Amino acid sequence: DSGVTQTPKHLITATGQRVTLRCSPRSGDLSVYWYQQSLDQGLQFLIQYYNGEERAKGNILERFSAQQFPDLHSELNLSSLELGDSALYFCASSVRVTGELFFGEGSRLTVL
Amino acid sequence: GESVGLHLPTLSVQEGDNSIINCAYSNSASDYFIWYKQESGKGPQFIIDIRSNMDKRQGQRVTVLLNKTVKHLSLQIAATQPGDSAVYFCAENIPSQGGKLIFGQGTELSVKP
Repeated sequence: DSGVTQTPKHLITATGQRVTLRCSPRSGDLSVYWYQQSLDQGLQFLIQYYNGEERAKGNILERFSAQQFPDLHSELNLSSLELGDSALYFCASSVRVTGELFFGEGSRLTVL
Repeated sequence: GESVGLHLPTLSVQEGDNSIINCAYSNSASDYFIWYKQESGKGPQFIIDIRSNMDKRQGQRVTVLLNKTVKHLSLQIAATQPGDSAVYFCAENIPSQGGKLIFGQGTELSVKP
């Protein structure tokens, strides 16, 4: 158990819908990262927050947004969903801005 | 541009043999590298890391080697066990790009009993 909690574990929805994925980092970790893992793909970096502020941005679509709240949990919002958004979405946390990342178990999103 | 890639997408070894998983990176400014293991249905799990001022680091049954001259990273697993079967990812940190880790595509290690 990495200490990073993600909910929901599984989510099935339809195209055009909007979902919110939630992440609680390890206790004491200030950085939260979101990664997308599609079938047979590696981990694609989406976005990073550090202590509530956006720190780095990757190939995150405009339909996706995220935020980190004062209690340090983070949410990833995915809207106008398309079939290609079906993937595993991982949250990771770390104590500092850089360093070892601790990953959650992921949220598996299926868009039908 | 930046990229982290793996030489072999799959690797099959006999139980008890040593495994070597390779990774090439293209950004000479990368200062930190990590190997992760991902078992089916789970999130990536930290195995071992190495900073760019080192060329070798050993853990329990694992060793990471870094060759900055050719921008090559390898993970060696001694006495490979069935429980080592997983996908292994290397990842690099580029200081100018904040704290994100850039991951390679992964190598699937299959251990035959």
